[in-house]
Amino acid sequence: DTGVSQDPRHKITKRGQNVTFRCDPISEHNRLYWYRQTLGQGPEFLTYFQNEAQLEKSRLLSDRFSAERPKGSFSTLEIQRTEQGDSAMYLCASSFRQSTGELFFGEGSRLTVL
Amino acid sequence: KNEVEQSPQNLTAQEGEFITINCSYSVGISALHWLQQHPGGGIVSLFMLSSGKKKHGRLIATINIQEKHSSLHITASHPRDSAVYICAVTGGGADGLTFGKGTHLIIQP
Repeated sequence: DTGVSQDPRHKITKRGQNVTFRCDPISEHNRLYWYRQTLGQGPEFLTYFQNEAQLEKSRLLSDRFSAERPKGSFSTLEIQRTEQGDSAMYLCASSFRQSTGELFFGEGSRLTVL
Repeated sequence: KNEVEQSPQNLTAQEGEFITINCSYSVGISALHWLQQHPGGGIVSLFMLSSGKKKHGRLIATINIQEKHSSLHITASHPRDSAVYICAVTGGGADGLTFGKGTHLIIQP
């Protein structure tokens, strides 16, 4: 297992299109987190899963955003009807068991909305 | 909601200097993380601590729970230490991390 992987690494799309990002966590990790980072800012929490259950969602996650982790392994983050303000780096991280477990981050998926 | 403040925001130093980056937070936490982010986005976890002090190579992290403050120290700094260092906390009512804005460190040869 080589760590947390995210796909695609870069996505350029036109405003109004839908995009989907995938995250494959480290296999034994049951917690999976999504964060968003804009240029010059620290990451912001979006949502997290424990196994397949989505336990917390930030108010930053508008109705256009949806995340799933159907089998408790990989996760997808979909953004519908993208807006230019959605342009950011979307980061995925995973950890084992407790909320205080060490986090392992993926390389991120950079979204550019034209 | 926890507020995480880091200082300084930017730091430029000469190779070999002792570096200190500070982090303060507003409410009680269950853990504090120090992360390193290089250009291109990848984030690496350096330390996770809930009390005391941890050391890994030239890096030292300390936390004072009573004062709600943590420091990250780099001894004998090197240009490869140039990166953004981010403080993040868990707890204070949320399971997700709350991040500081990061400290952009440049070590000049």
